[in-house]
This record gives sequence, C-alpha cells and structure tokens, in this order.
Amino acid sequence: AQTVTQSQPEMSVQEAETVTLSCTYDTSESDYYLFWYKQPPSRQMILVIRQEAYKQQNATENRFSVNFQKAAKSFSLKISDSQLGDAAMYFCAYSSGGGADGLTFGKGTHLIIQP
Amino acid sequence: DTGVSQDPRHKITKRGQNVTFRCDPISEHNRLYWYRQTLGQGPEFLTYFQNEAQLEKSRLLSDRFSAERPKGSFSTLEIQRTEQGDSAMYLCASSILAHYNEQFFGPGTRLTVL
Repeated sequence: AQTVTQSQPEMSVQEAETVTLSCTYDTSESDYYLFWYKQPPSRQMILVIRQEAYKQQNATENRFSVNFQKAAKSFSLKISDSQLGDAAMYFCAYSSGGGADGLTFGKGTHLIIQP
Repeated sequence: DTGVSQDPRHKITKRGQNVTFRCDPISEHNRLYWYRQTLGQGPEFLTYFQNEAQLEKSRLLSDRFSAERPKGSFSTLEIQRTEQGDSAMYLCASSILAHYNEQFFGPGTRLTVL
C-alpha cells in the first residue's frame, strides 16, 4: 500500500517570504501522480499543483513550485512571496496511474502566515 | 460550472439512526469519489464511481455504509446504525475521465453522532 508522510505538523512564515513544505511517499509503482492540496479554514480542498511521475521537470504554478526527487521519493512544495491568503492546511497526496484507489493523503501541514 | 455541491453541510444525529448524504458533482464529470476526514487527519478514500458503476471500495467502508450513483450524476452515501466513531467530515470529489487524477472537492458534510 502507498503511504504519504508529512513530517511538519505546523510551519510559520513571515508574509512575503518563502516557505517549503516537505512530503515523502512510499510506492512500488512506476506510474503515479503527486499533488498538493490546500484546505483553508472553510475546509473546501483546492488543488494547488500536480506532478506526473514520468516528468522530470518540476511543476510550477505562479508562486507555487515543487521539488520532485523521484529516487528519494520526495515531493516538497515551495511557496514564494507568501501571502496572508496562503494560510491553510496543506495536504500532499498520491494517486496511482489508474486512480483506482482514489487519493492517498498525508496528515497535513498547518501553514501560518505572520503579517 | 458551480463546482461540487454537498447536502447537508452539517448533520447531527443520535447513535443508531440512519443518515444519508448527497453529492452533486461538476456537470459531465464521469468519476465521483467519497472520502472521510477526521479531525487532524487527511482525507481517507472510501469509494468511487465511474458513471453509475461503483468500481472500488475501501476496507474502511463497512457493511453499514452504502453508496449509490443511480443515473451517473449525483451520488448518495448512507450510513446505517450510526456509531460515535462515524463522526467525521464526509467529502465528495469529482473528476473528468480524461483528467481523472485532478479531483475537485465539495465543501463536505460534517456528521456528528451523539
């Protein structure tokens, strides 16, 4: 079974600074996808960024980028120029290529933005 | 496109009662997923549908849980004989077959079993 581990229960960053959230995963599959989801206090999950395992290039979405280290099974999220609206729970998630078992989530990292 | 909607948003029930939740996915999304999220944890996969067919069920989905998607559009999740351990947020997500891994989540139904 696949597992996703987020070792940082909580992170704090000053507004406008950069923060990196860590995620490691374990799988024996070669075809899979990785995601970062954001869950603001209203609790609706929002997809932030996705990465296909077969792609070597790290995904980027505006201020959000990932560092995908396939051999190390590591998938960190970097948020640049942090904004107050970035405050939320961030979940790392894994999906097998076929998506048959849905998403496997980590326990999440609570990101605090200090003004 | 109004996004994934779920009803009700909150449900309080007494132990032993049956409850039913509804999920309306984004129009034309073929896949529909149900997850359960307890406090301080990430969501856990329960089951998913492709159109009206239920293709996968997690071991978390005990015999007291049943899900349907009769016409391949909205879905219902029923919990029979609720227990206090069923208290959680129940999340629904949908995706289009061409991009099935990009799941869009609803706001969830928070269930409290007294």
